[in-house]
Amino acid sequence: NAGVTQTPKFQVLKTGQSMTLQCAQDMNHNSMYWYRQDPGMGLRLIYYSASEGTTDKGEVPNGYNVSRLNKREFSLRLESAAPSQTSVYFCASTVSTDTQYFGPGTRLTVL
Amino acid sequence: QKEVEQNSGPLSVPEGAIASLNCTYSDRGSQSFFWYRQYSGKSPELIMFIYSNGDKEDGRFTAQLNKASQYVSLLIRDSQPSDSATYLCAVWPQGAQKLVFGQGTRLTINP
Repeated sequence: NAGVTQTPKFQVLKTGQSMTLQCAQDMNHNSMYWYRQDPGMGLRLIYYSASEGTTDKGEVPNGYNVSRLNKREFSLRLESAAPSQTSVYFCASTVSTDTQYFGPGTRLTVL
Repeated sequence: QKEVEQNSGPLSVPEGAIASLNCTYSDRGSQSFFWYRQYSGKSPELIMFIYSNGDKEDGRFTAQLNKASQYVSLLIRDSQPSDSATYLCAVWPQGAQKLVFGQGTRLTINP
């Protein structure tokens, strides 16, 4: 099992560019999550999908959109990147109220 | 009041000593409790989970849960320099669809 995978690992964008961060899990988990983590800070939830076909906003959803493509895949899109979106992005998945597993992260820099 | 609170640290402990990390939570109906370790530049990884009041031991790690006091702790015995990391407490509130994380405590083990 690969667990939770994320692509790309690193990305540099210019202000105003768009991109999609991809996340996939092979653990048959129902719920998937996108977090951002700024230097020296805790995790902040951007969006989550409690089950296939549903998505909900987290603490910091502005400037992002998500798509739960199927049970395995949950993507995060930045339509018009801003320097404030420079961060490390983590995808995670879980079954119900059980352990949440994290992907390796995407380090994004917006110039 | 934050839903999950941790001492932000940093906490400095000499090698071989016991490191004690503490966490309080606000939702009295919470059922699942987790401790994650995060090395710098890496994603969070699960160390321990605990569901019932009392102690749960795994090697050098012991998780303690007191639901009446809404308190969960992590003890690391015989601390090693490799234990130096940020430790995240996470709680699953009753009826919630997402895990709630504390801000993390940075732990440094001094040789």
